[in-house]
Amino acid sequence: DQQVKQNSPSLSVQEGRISILNCDYTNSMFDYFLWYKKYPAEGPTFLISISSIKDKNEDGRFTVFLNKSAKHLSLHIVPSQPGDSAVYFCAASAVFGNEKLTFGTGTRLTIIP
Amino acid sequence: DSGVTQTPKHLITATGQRVTLRCSPRSGDLSVYWYQQSLDQGLQFLIQYYNGEERAKGNILERFSAQQFPDLHSELNLSSLELGDSALYFCASNMGEGTDTQYFGPGTRLTVL
Repeated sequence: DQQVKQNSPSLSVQEGRISILNCDYTNSMFDYFLWYKKYPAEGPTFLISISSIKDKNEDGRFTVFLNKSAKHLSLHIVPSQPGDSAVYFCAASAVFGNEKLTFGTGTRLTIIP
Repeated sequence: DSGVTQTPKHLITATGQRVTLRCSPRSGDLSVYWYQQSLDQGLQFLIQYYNGEERAKGNILERFSAQQFPDLHSELNLSSLELGDSALYFCASNMGEGTDTQYFGPGTRLTVL
């Protein structure tokens, strides 16, 4: 049972444009959401997070939006840069359960120069 | 560099064998998490230790076990290995409190032949 889903395995975006990565979840107990970025031969690197009490969190070029009623979150990268090419994982946790993260299967983002 | 170290980087072994993967958390972190990433899959939570004690368990097979030592490093033991155990194994660490970001090591790639 895939509780966190990233339905787009890959995405290509022109440099300078907006990249939008999507994630859906099914477990209503999830109340904390994160995005990780992964380069080949490296471990995932934390990018940005959002608590369920917010609907938006921004950090530089990265913004995460949360729609609790739709159980959907998205990551916006503006403007996209070649160094953003990586695999992006959405993850969720139920903070008041335990701290384990449930990950999606990832979206490979390619920025085209 | 996340500050989390994992050894070895690569491991090739045969079916039926036993291996030990090692993780050293970031300085000051009390909690260690183990995740498995099979081909084209998201990271699957295996187990969490906090200050030497098991705190949470995921879909960890009975053939797998882990422990966290007094110096807070952790080992994941995989026995009676099967072809399907071939995967990337990641260790992550944090203080173990609520929404603390998990910092990931570079992973150990296990190949079972």
